[in-house]
Amino acid sequence: GAVVSQHPSRVICKSGTSVKIECRSLDFQATTMFWYRQFPKQSLMLMATSNEGSKATYEQGVEKDKFLINHASLTLSTLTVTSAHPEDSSFYICSAREDDARMTSTDTQYFGPGTRLTVL
Amino acid sequence: AQKITQTQPGMFVQEKEAVTLDCTYDTSDQSYGLFWYKQPSSGEMIFLIYQGSYDEQNATEGRYSLNFQKARKSANLVISASQLGDSAMYFCAMRDRNYGQNFVFGPGTRLSVLP
Repeated sequence: GAVVSQHPSRVICKSGTSVKIECRSLDFQATTMFWYRQFPKQSLMLMATSNEGSKATYEQGVEKDKFLINHASLTLSTLTVTSAHPEDSSFYICSAREDDARMTSTDTQYFGPGTRLTVL
Repeated sequence: AQKITQTQPGMFVQEKEAVTLDCTYDTSDQSYGLFWYKQPSSGEMIFLIYQGSYDEQNATEGRYSLNFQKARKSANLVISASQLGDSAMYFCAMRDRNYGQNFVFGPGTRLSVLP
């Protein structure tokens, strides 16, 4: 089956630094990728939709200048948390939709294993 | 707006018994998909089962089955013969055209399987 990887799996950084998280589709092309954030004991919340070759679409309440998304190729999307603060500590999960999947509600997305960010 | 409700924050089940995890949804779209994911402590999201709104039969995948009651807008997950490895968070999710085909997740149910 389709595989999505994320790197790093875990990162600890000091407050004020920037952190980049990579999301790769390993055996399929993904024009569309999604970034989610999950706080402890809570559900996944969609942050933004990443589109290859165009600007990301951010959900309401998500600061686009703080969470920079770049989707430079059909297999790679990156999320950069700029000037990270302790409140940005969370589990970040990406998912990718296969390009040749039918564009209906029936296709599934493939999730990466997640990145746990801790900001000290 | 789309909404997924999972009313059971936590559930316990004895090993080898069956358990039902509840999920109700709300959408104005006639075409939608319902999904169940398992999230163990490692954090990865594991796809379990899918039900399309036009599917006439309940979906089944091994020990997992989905009790789909369209008129009641419910999509309960049934796990038969529970195993210790089934202990995890379980999320019900929906996709429809109103929300740009993006997932909306429920709050989740934590299942604990007792030996």
